Amino acid sequence: LAKTTQPISMDSYEGQEVNITCSHNNIATNDYITWYQQFPSQGPRFIIQGYKTKVTNEVASLFIPADRKSSTLSLPRVSLSDTAVYYCLVVPNTNAGKSTFGDGTTLTVKP
Amino acid sequence: DAGVTQSPTHLIKTRGQHVTLRCSPISGHKSVSWYQQVLGQGPQFIFQYYEKEERGRGNFPDRFSARQFPNYSSELNVNALLLGDSALYLCASSLAGDTMTGELFFGEGSRLTVL
Repeated sequence: LAKTTQPISMDSYEGQEVNITCSHNNIATNDYITWYQQFPSQGPRFIIQGYKTKVTNEVASLFIPADRKSSTLSLPRVSLSDTAVYYCLVVPNTNAGKSTFGDGTTLTVKP
Repeated sequence: DAGVTQSPTHLIKTRGQHVTLRCSPISGHKSVSWYQQVLGQGPQFIFQYYEKEERGRGNFPDRFSARQFPNYSSELNVNALLLGDSALYLCASSLAGDTMTGELFFGEGSRLTVL
């Protein structure tokens, strides 16, 4: 399973856009890039998933370059409630059940 | 619709004891995965079950076992508990097989403390 590398922590202020970059040099052809958010003492929650180029939903955007060796999660206008750990995963499109999590990026949003 | 439910939410055991954790997946989901999350780390994959068969196993000792029932609910069993087994145990359900989404749906977890 492809390993991912992402910053351990990031700080931001309310209202700013936050970009978290993840490296996945060994991504396989059938892997999707998936991001999760986790608050303390809760299970991770799916944010967004993509294969290539750009994906946008109501909470985030995901930018994936052509070589797919990295990806960037973009959170527009963060608020204090976005303080959480964000995990980047590469997941086979046929079976998410064995997803491998790294240690994630702890995002702290300050007032 | 109900999400993934886990029980118990919290429990305390002593070293050497046995524990059983339970998980009910989202209706229609046939895959259940178990993860262990130690404080300060990301979830670590333990098992995946699909259609009552083990589809994957992480790097955990044989003290850890699991099974899936005909209604797709699942149990995780841990024998001979060690202090290091203290963690949040997460269950996640998903649609395995032909799917374009790799989304895992997690429960709130079972917090195990081993004394």
